[in-house]
Parts: sequence; C-alpha cells; structure tokens
Amino acid sequence: GQQLNQSPQSMFIQEGEDVSMNCTSSSIFNTWLWYKQDPGEGPVLLIALYKAGELTSNGRLTAQFGITRKDSFLNISASIPSDVGIYFCAYAGGTSYGKLTFGQGTILTVHP
Amino acid sequence: DAGVTQSPTHLIKTRGQQVTLRCSPKSGHDTVSWYQQALGQGPQFIFQYYEEEERQRGNFPDRFSGHQFPNYSSELNVNALWLGDSALYLCASSFDEGSTEAFFGQGTRLTVV
Repeated sequence: GQQLNQSPQSMFIQEGEDVSMNCTSSSIFNTWLWYKQDPGEGPVLLIALYKAGELTSNGRLTAQFGITRKDSFLNISASIPSDVGIYFCAYAGGTSYGKLTFGQGTILTVHP
Repeated sequence: DAGVTQSPTHLIKTRGQQVTLRCSPKSGHDTVSWYQQALGQGPQFIFQYYEEEERQRGNFPDRFSGHQFPNYSSELNVNALWLGDSALYLCASSFDEGSTEAFFGQGTRLTVV
C-alpha cells in the first residue's frame, strides 16, 4: 500500500518558537490531511488540503499541498504548551474521508 | 451534539479470547470506520461500514470482523486474540456523501496478556 514518510520523528522546542514538519510520498495524492492527537484521545483534523500548491491557515497553523502533489508541510507559529501532541499527516482514499492512511507521526514537545 | 463515543475505554483480555468493541457515530453520520493504533505508530485502517455492510477493508486477518446496526452504530469483533492485538482501537464516523471530515472517538485501549 501507499506509505507516507513524516519528518522529523520528534521535536523539542521552546515556547514561542516556530515549528515546521513535513510529509512525503512516492505517490501522487489528491488530498492531504493534517491531524493532531493528544494523549488518550483520538486524532482531530487540523487542516485539509485539496489542490496542488494550496496554502491554508487555521489560526497559528499553516499547511501547504506541494506542487508535485507528493508532499505537504505543516507550520506552527509562536508555539504554546498546548501544542504538545502527535501530529499526523494522512491522505484520504476511496470516495469518502472514512478510509485514511496515516504517516508515522511527529511528536512535539514544547518547553515553557 | 454528542461526538463519536466508544466503549469501553479500557479492557484487558487473555490471549485466545474474543473481544467486542462498540462505537456510536456522530449525529448525522452514516459511515463508520475502525482503526488500530499500535504504540508509537499512526492509526491503521481496519475496515469501513456503510448501510450495514463492509465496504472497504484494510490488511487485517479474518479474525477482525464488524457489524453496523440500522442506527449506524457499529461493533468491532476480534477473535482468538494475540498479544500483538494490544493497541488503541479508534472509531471514526463520516457522512458518506460529499467531502466531510472523519471524526474520531477517544478510542478503546485493549491490552492482551
């Protein structure tokens, strides 16, 4: 099946710093999704991208769908302690968003 | 408006036993998908139910089966449990038609000993 490669695997940053993580694939996708998972919770959708080159923001979060359609990045500006968690990229297969393929995740730790 | 609810939140089973996990989708959603998330990994798609039938299936053995009821709620059954089945099992619901996001429940933490 298709595989998504996320990097970095983990990040340790100071509060207030900006963060950047990315996701790559050997295949072309039509949709990129970014999720965040807090401990003991299910993933929550942060941003959905539908077109190559699309740049979308959600508060302090910004994500872009790569021009080649094989990559995407997520930026978090001015990080705060509640940004701690695991960030996953995913693509949606089939005719609905029900079938998702996830990357391995990036673990983010923010030091106050 | 209740989101996706799963039960139980935690359970411990012995190798070889059978387990049933339950999921109630978000109001208005008719499609339920199940995922297995091993420690340190991203969720992996098990299968998806729509109109009470399995519509898509991931790379999981037949020991994993499911059911969807007329009210759209769903069950995941795992037979002959292995130690390797220990994981967080996530249920996600979505509305089949149109482009909508999938909403996840908090998961059921299954430990097989």
